[in-house]
Amino acid sequence: KQEVTQIPAALSVPEGENLVLNCSFTDSAIYNLQWFRQDPGKGLTSLLLIQSSQREQTSGRLNASLDKSSGRSTLYIAASQPGDSATYLCAVLSGLGKLIFGTGTRLQVFP
Amino acid sequence: DGGITQSPKYLFRKEGQNVTLSCEQNLNHDAMYWYRQDPGQGLRLIYYSQIVNDFQKGDIAEGYSVSREKKESFPLTVTSAQKNPTAFYLCASSRDGRNQPQHFGDGTRLSIL
Repeated sequence: KQEVTQIPAALSVPEGENLVLNCSFTDSAIYNLQWFRQDPGKGLTSLLLIQSSQREQTSGRLNASLDKSSGRSTLYIAASQPGDSATYLCAVLSGLGKLIFGTGTRLQVFP
Repeated sequence: DGGITQSPKYLFRKEGQNVTLSCEQNLNHDAMYWYRQDPGQGLRLIYYSQIVNDFQKGDIAEGYSVSREKKESFPLTVTSAQKNPTAFYLCASSRDGRNQPQHFGDGTRLSIL
């Protein structure tokens, strides 16, 4: 059974720092991995999707990597800003349409 | 603007009552999904539909029912058989059920009176 773990559960950093969020999964047989952002009381915003054949994806200050063989993905946020404060979720697509989610990393960036 | 609309934003259920959560998308996506989110837990899949008039149970389907009569609509009914319905419910859609990203609505928060 696929399990997704995110470390750390919470992170508080000063503005301007570069930071790394970690995601690990137990079964390497995945179709893709997706990173989301969730603001309090809101739905999820898709940030990046990495196909199983890809190693990384970039969007602006965000870079996500995927090492399928070791069951790991990282989300790198460069030059963090207070507006980046949110919960970040990773999810793997293991079966047709079935996303398995981690419990998230709650990020706070203070001025 | 294309997107996913969930309504209502807040919903209250009395004991023994069935309630229906609405999810509409105008993205022309084939696949639609319902998730439940509880505090401190990740999202869990309730039901999903790859095509009109077809849907499959997810990991926690007991006490819930769905229909998919139109491509753009995927309503979720929380029945009285669901003993712990208080949660945040999220609807999502994707172009297909394979390698396309899932896009989410803003959610419905259901509470028990």
